Formats: sequence, C-alpha cells, structure tokens
Amino acid sequence: EAQLVESGGGLVQPGGSLRLSCAASGFTFKNSSMNWVRQSPGKGLEWVSYMSSSGITIHYADSVKGRFTISRDNARNSLYLQMNSLKDEDTAVYYCARNLHSGWYFDYWGQGILVSVSS
Amino acid sequence: EIVLTQSPATLSLSPGERATLSCRASQSVLNYLAWYQQKAGQAPRLLIYDASIRAIGVPARFSGSGSGTDFTLTISSLEPEDFAVYYCQQRNNWLTFGGGTKVEIK
Repeated sequence: EAQLVESGGGLVQPGGSLRLSCAASGFTFKNSSMNWVRQSPGKGLEWVSYMSSSGITIHYADSVKGRFTISRDNARNSLYLQMNSLKDEDTAVYYCARNLHSGWYFDYWGQGILVSVSS
Repeated sequence: EIVLTQSPATLSLSPGERATLSCRASQSVLNYLAWYQQKAGQAPRLLIYDASIRAIGVPARFSGSGSGTDFTLTISSLEPEDFAVYYCQQRNNWLTFGGGTKVEIK
C-alpha cells in the first residue's frame, strides 16, 4: 500500500528557513504528481504546492510564491519543500499528498509534520 | 479565487441517522469537486471526487451529488466511525478547500 512519510519539521524563527522531506513507498513515485498541503492549528486545509511526475510543471499558492520551492528526486522516491523567509502564518501541519491520476485531488496523504514559526 | 462555503458548521446526529452536508461554490466548478473526511489527529481521507465518484475502499453509504455551484455529501446511515470533520475541495480554478463541517454525536 502507498505510504508517505514527512520529516524535517520543527521550530524556527520568523525569517528563517526549513526543508521538509517526504519519503514515498508502495507505489511508482516517478509516475505520480505530488503536492504539499498545510493545515494551521485548529483551522482548515490550504493547498501549498504541486509538482508533476516529471518535475516540469510546478505551481504554488500565492501565499508562498517566491518563498517556497518544491522539488523531487525520483531516484530516491522523495519530495521536498524548501521554505525560506518563514512567517508566523506559515505555522501549520504540512502534509505530503499524492495526486489522484484522474484529477487534481489527493488520494494518499502522509501523517503530517508540524512547522512552528515563532520568536 | 473560488470560495467554498460549507454548511452547517456542525451537525449533531445519532448513529443510524442520515447526514446531509452542503458545499456551495462562489462560482461554477462544473463537477470538479471532492469530499474528504478527517478524524482528529489524522490526515484527510479522500471519499468522493468529481462530485459523485467514490474513491477506492469507500463504503457505499457515502454518496455525492451536485454540479455547478451546489454540492451535497450524504451519509445514508451514520456509523460510529463516521463522526469526523468533512471538507470539500474544488479543482476547476486552481485549488481551494471549504471550511469544513463537523459531524458530532448527538
């Protein structure tokens, strides 16, 4: 069965950087488009970024554009999110999520990793 | 940005009852809408996509309907494990989520 495991979260000061990783297993990662989705404490869900299976097509939410960078290593079955210039409002649980093949929905999710931005 | 408004915010029902959840879009999303279930401390789980297609492994008591701006998720007879928060999500114009409906035990 498909499994996604995030790592790299933690506490960081405003203006700082953090790199999240997502290790995939149980499916053919190189054929799957992937996403990052976040959820602020006690709040709803917000899509953050998308990367196609080849890595050619990339999208970002306006709230993170210019500060976050998504990348992937298909040889390592891994997805990444480099987060720079972090703000208080970036505090959230970040999920790695696989794109459903038939549309931009999310059929598998990781367990999530907490990123806290605070001084 | 397409805004998805879910109602009610909280639905208090008993096991065995029928649950009807609503998701209204600020503009048409055609049929490009999904529903997710999220239990406390867990990641969301895809239930329905393209408005009415059940995801793999989702019980038949979950059904979705609607098109354009008005959508409904129906749980025909609530099981104890169905008490959770439900989110809708559209993909017709970028991607946005609704604010969620909590289904709680009455």
